[in-house]
Amino acid sequence: EVQLLESGGGLVQPGESLTLSCAASGFISSSSAMTWVRQVPGRGLEWVSAINDSGAKTYYADSVKGRITISRDNSKNTVYLRLNSPRAEDAGIYFCAKLTRGTVVTPAFDLWGQGTLVTVSS
Amino acid sequence: QSALTQPASVSGSPGQSITISCTGTSSDLGNYDYVSWYQQHPGKAPKLIIFDVSNRPFGVSKRFSGSKSGNTASLTISGLQAEDEADYYCSSYTTSTTQRFVFGTGTEVTVL
Repeated sequence: EVQLLESGGGLVQPGESLTLSCAASGFISSSSAMTWVRQVPGRGLEWVSAINDSGAKTYYADSVKGRITISRDNSKNTVYLRLNSPRAEDAGIYFCAKLTRGTVVTPAFDLWGQGTLVTVSS
Repeated sequence: QSALTQPASVSGSPGQSITISCTGTSSDLGNYDYVSWYQQHPGKAPKLIIFDVSNRPFGVSKRFSGSKSGNTASLTISGLQAEDEADYYCSSYTTSTTQRFVFGTGTEVTVL
């Protein structure tokens, strides 16, 4: 079955760091760019970050630039999102998704994971 | 980067057609045909229903169609069905800042 499975969410204190993982199965993820999108429950979608198929190019939303790092390990079919010193406004459900292409050009995310919840609180 | 502007809610009766607008600027959908639409049911992940303005992924109903004129993209749902009741989001490539993509504010569709 073709799917994405996120993990690593949970409660994090302000100033700590947290790494989310997105494991792909049923397809070769190294041929696709990948992205993370977050959503505060009951609110809209916010694009967070993306990485191209090789991992050489990364992109970030203005709101998270300098605080979040995206990376991938194609040998493990896994994409990561590291939240450094998260703030209260970084809380939400984090979805990973697959782009239809290997490059980060069109926002066509054709496969999504179920999401992992991040709570930021002391 | 400001979100693309969508109406908060749109409603229609079964069988009717409705259209959801998505307004941006010349830095995003006004100058690029990289516009997608997503459907999200409560508690579920979003689902891609339109990409590159008017293309439907395999398996998506032909009742969903997309278009664009100037700085506004539109999603039309024809023959509205109860299962279409969901939230809908547009998304576009952007060059207004260093970030790559931006989502719309979202539209709640109600089937009366």
